[in-house]
Amino acid sequence: EPEVTQTPSHQVTQMGQEVILRCVPISNHLYFYWYRQILGQKVEFLVSFYNNEISEKSEIFDDQFSVERPDGSNFTLKIRSTKLEDSAMYFCASMHGGAYEQYFGPGTRLTVT
Amino acid sequence: GESVGLHLPTLSVQEGDNSIINCAYSNSASDYFIWYKQESGKGPQFIIDIRSNMDKRQGQRVTVLLNKTVKHLSLQIAATQPGDSAVYFCAETPYNFNKFYFGSGTKLNVKP
Repeated sequence: EPEVTQTPSHQVTQMGQEVILRCVPISNHLYFYWYRQILGQKVEFLVSFYNNEISEKSEIFDDQFSVERPDGSNFTLKIRSTKLEDSAMYFCASMHGGAYEQYFGPGTRLTVT
Repeated sequence: GESVGLHLPTLSVQEGDNSIINCAYSNSASDYFIWYKQESGKGPQFIIDIRSNMDKRQGQRVTVLLNKTVKHLSLQIAATQPGDSAVYFCAETPYNFNKFYFGSGTKLNVKP
């Protein structure tokens, strides 16, 4: 069964450094999403992406964040200058569009020290 | 959005019993509601969904009920099994699926 994959599984970075989290959505899916989940808390929407542009972003998704679909398979989330409070699990999800079920990746645990 | 404390509400049930997990949603404009299951260390997994023009939908061992009058969503799991132990989140989204709002989650603990 096709699945969403994410790399790396765990990223440790120093405050102020840039990180790029990578996702490979399911190949025929058209809608892409990034979420984050601080330990023990609910899943928070960051951004949605369709037709090579951002559809919607949350208030969390400030100028430090950006997304890209550099080729036909990858979907990346970049944090330009990480802060301690960016430490969280980051989940990528994709959705076909003809069906409205989101498929989530296993997540990247980001630790900012 | 609001931050939620580290302590999730927990529902403990005996294996074989039925479970009911509740969720209050906030946005009257939401058109589509989903229940997700999240096991430890994994991403959320779709369980069942319902559109706003319905009040009940059944799947395999699961039923979702929607009460738009009081903005309430529930997930019923029949004959709960140890493999059902996880955190369950409800989510809502408007008709264009551009943004999904997740609830704070309920931890289901199934005792053998």
